[in-house]
Amino acid sequence: QQQVKQSPQSLIVQKGGISIINCAYENTAFDYFPWYQQFPGKGPALLIAIRPDVSEKKEGRFTISFNKSAKQFSLHIMDSQPGDSATYFCAASLRNAGNMLTFGGGTRLMVKP
Amino acid sequence: GAGVSQSPSNKVTEKGKDVELRCDPISGHTALYWYRQSLGQGLEFLIYFQGNSAPDKSGLPSDRFSAERTGGSVSTLTIQRTQQEDSAVYLCASSRAGHPETQYFGPGTRLLVL
Repeated sequence: QQQVKQSPQSLIVQKGGISIINCAYENTAFDYFPWYQQFPGKGPALLIAIRPDVSEKKEGRFTISFNKSAKQFSLHIMDSQPGDSATYFCAASLRNAGNMLTFGGGTRLMVKP
Repeated sequence: GAGVSQSPSNKVTEKGKDVELRCDPISGHTALYWYRQSLGQGLEFLIYFQGNSAPDKSGLPSDRFSAERTGGSVSTLTIQRTQQEDSAVYLCASSRAGHPETQYFGPGTRLLVL
């Protein structure tokens, strides 16, 4: 059972454009929703995270939009740069169950100069 | 300070051999997680240690997999009688008390079983 579904699998955006990655989850008990960025040969690095009591969180060029009723959340990367080219993973966790992360399938983003 | 470190960075082994993968979490972090990243299965949870509590082994794919954490710090993931489907990147993450949901990942060990 895939508890977190992520789309698209790959995304090509022009420099300066907006990158949008979407995730949907099934378990309504999840209480933490992070996004991780991973470069080739490296481990995932936490980018930004949100809790379900807020609908949006912004950090610099990165914004999470959260829709609790639809069980969906998305990552928006504004003014996308070639250095943003990486694989992005959404995830979800539950504090009372050990906080182990359930990951989406990943999105490979390429930002063309 | 130093991040999560893992060793070896790469491991090539023959089918049927045992392998040990090591993780050094960030100093002071009380929680430690092992995940596996493979082309077919994506990123999946394996096992979780929290302080001195019994580990949560619910993600281990078979009884060939085991892990221990000594002294609340270093952890070793052991795979016995390796199979080709065990080929993957094994990632370790740690988090600190007070912010257990924020996990910091190491660079991973790339395991190839021939």
